[in-house]
Amino acid sequence: SQTIHQWPATLVQPVGSPLSLECTVEGTSNPNLYWYRQAAGRGLQLLFYSVGIGQISSEVPQNLSASRPQDRQFILSSKKLLLSDSGFYLCAWRLGERVQETQYFGPGTRLLVL
Amino acid sequence: QKEVEQNSGPLSVPEGAIASLNCTYSDRGSQSFFWYRQYSGKSPELIMSIYSNGDKEDGRFTAQLNKASQYVSLLIRDSQPSDSATYLCAVRTGNDMRFGAGTRLTVKP
Repeated sequence: SQTIHQWPATLVQPVGSPLSLECTVEGTSNPNLYWYRQAAGRGLQLLFYSVGIGQISSEVPQNLSASRPQDRQFILSSKKLLLSDSGFYLCAWRLGERVQETQYFGPGTRLLVL
Repeated sequence: QKEVEQNSGPLSVPEGAIASLNCTYSDRGSQSFFWYRQYSGKSPELIMSIYSNGDKEDGRFTAQLNKASQYVSLLIRDSQPSDSATYLCAVRTGNDMRFGAGTRLTVKP
């Protein structure tokens, strides 16, 4: 069965510090991978998605970036965090774009920028 | 702009009652529809998926889809306190998946 991991689970960072969040998927190959952010009491905002190694699409221009160095690894980064970057970061995976394909979420990373 | 709209709630129902959650979407080309449940502080977990018009039942949950009206709903029968959570509606067209802001459901014992 497929499993998705995210770490760290919780992170407190000062404004202006760098960020690196990691997501890995087990039990599947060539998944589509997604990074979402959920601000407190808000909906899910798609940040980046990737359909393959080295392929990144950005949905929202901001100070975040994403990379996919391996098939089942997706990394979210920032060089300098802003207060507005606080939120719940969720990685998700899906096998493809067929109608019946379902999207699954990892456990999430809660980030607080002070 | 492709939109997915949900009533934010909170929706409060007594234990044992039927909870009805509603969602509308703007993209007529949408093909896949999902309901996720999100407990406070946790990530969303999939409850139901539906792809064709009509009803789909899974245990106490029934998803209903009406593509002509661009409307999808989730019914929870015999609601339990453990059903108290935020329910997210998601609509997908190809690789584009959009989420509603969620409806908070409280089931009172």
